[in-house]
Amino acid sequence: DQQVKQNSPSLSVQEGRISILNCDYTNSMFDYFLWYKKYPAEGPTFLISISSIKDKNEDGRFTVFLNKSAKHLSLHIVPSQPGDSAVYFCAASPNAGNNRKLIWGLGTSLAVNP
Amino acid sequence: NAGVTQTPKFQVLKTGQSMTLQCAQDMNHNSMYWYRQDPGMGLRLIYYSASEGTTDKGEVPNGYNVSRLNKREFSLRLESAAPSQTSVYFCASKGRQGNQPQHFGDGTRLSIL
Repeated sequence: DQQVKQNSPSLSVQEGRISILNCDYTNSMFDYFLWYKKYPAEGPTFLISISSIKDKNEDGRFTVFLNKSAKHLSLHIVPSQPGDSAVYFCAASPNAGNNRKLIWGLGTSLAVNP
Repeated sequence: NAGVTQTPKFQVLKTGQSMTLQCAQDMNHNSMYWYRQDPGMGLRLIYYSASEGTTDKGEVPNGYNVSRLNKREFSLRLESAAPSQTSVYFCASKGRQGNQPQHFGDGTRLSIL
């Protein structure tokens, strides 16, 4: 039973436009959410995170929005660049003190076309 | 600026063979993790170590053992490899504070024939 769901396996966007990647979760105990980017033959790389006490966190071209009532978060990339083409994973963690374990979605493959 | 280093990058084993996957981090992190990634399954936690000297089972521990050799190193052992253990294995580490991200190595691609 997937507690973290990324319902779109793939997404294609034109360079310069906005990319919106979505993630839904079922466990109301999750209070920390992260997005990772993964290129082929490399490990996942941390992108941005958000705590459940916030509804938005921004870092350069990347913004994560959290809607706790809907148990939904989204990652916005503006403007999208061809180098953003990768698989994006959403991960969530319940409050577990200093040793958080992450529950992962299956990923969304983003293709940014020149 | 190595971060998390995994060796080997690729390995082919025969069913029943044993193997140890090595992981080392140079970020002075307390926690370390082993994941496997399979098509359509996402990342699944095998074992983790909250600190030197401690290890705990994750979601899919069967068929694996781990050793937290020291603060830097966390190894994953397959005692008798099975084809179902064909996967890409990732090691990760994390600092002490709760809201810090995990940092990943580049993975070991393991095929078991």
